[in-house]
Amino acid sequence: SQQGEEDPQALSIQEGENATMNCSYKTSINNLQWYRQNSGRGLVHLILIRSNEREKHSGRLRVTLDTSKKSSSLLITASRAADTASYFCATDVTGANSKLTFGKGITLSVRP
Amino acid sequence: NAGVTQTPKFRVLKTGQSMTLLCAQDMNHEYMYWYRQDPGMGLRLIHYSVGEGTTAKGEVPDGYNVSRLKKQNFLLGLESAAPSQTSVYFCASSYWDRGTDTQYFGPGTRLTVL
Repeated sequence: SQQGEEDPQALSIQEGENATMNCSYKTSINNLQWYRQNSGRGLVHLILIRSNEREKHSGRLRVTLDTSKKSSSLLITASRAADTASYFCATDVTGANSKLTFGKGITLSVRP
Repeated sequence: NAGVTQTPKFRVLKTGQSMTLLCAQDMNHEYMYWYRQDPGMGLRLIHYSVGEGTTAKGEVPDGYNVSRLKKQNFLLGLESAAPSQTSVYFCASSYWDRGTDTQYFGPGTRLTVL
């Protein structure tokens, strides 16, 4: 199985609701990052959390990291139709020499 | 700034043909990467480079070659294309900042091998 695995695989919510996405990983990391990919486009970096941090905020995004459970969650508050996209977690594994390992992604659909 | 650009955007090849995908970045980044994205598989690293003149293998390097003759360009070559190489290819670049590495992606190249 992969280093980073997102959960759920797909999520459908109503506009205005919050969306919570989870990522679990297996080995020690330097940091964990979340990326967004709109249909037919490249990935865009959203937020990074270092291994010594527990929570970070950026606008409507909140990410948490629990290194004891090897898991992270991304919360998007007050979702909008424009948030419809695939979301990927990526882990910067300790000793991996600047390589990221991406999960398979979560498909988020926000209904107007 | 254009960021990361990829050429071409689409390509159809016949089995056995060769081609080169070009990635260019104007952010003076040291690191560059080539990924492939297949349905249900996420992104898988093909090759990467940590500086001009250097390349290294990623998770799925077989059937591909790369070159980084100039810092701003990273070329991905398919010498003899196979249907299994049908995929969307993404290039990315990054710089090392205080122990972190945020990657910037190009728009992708959709390749079909018949």
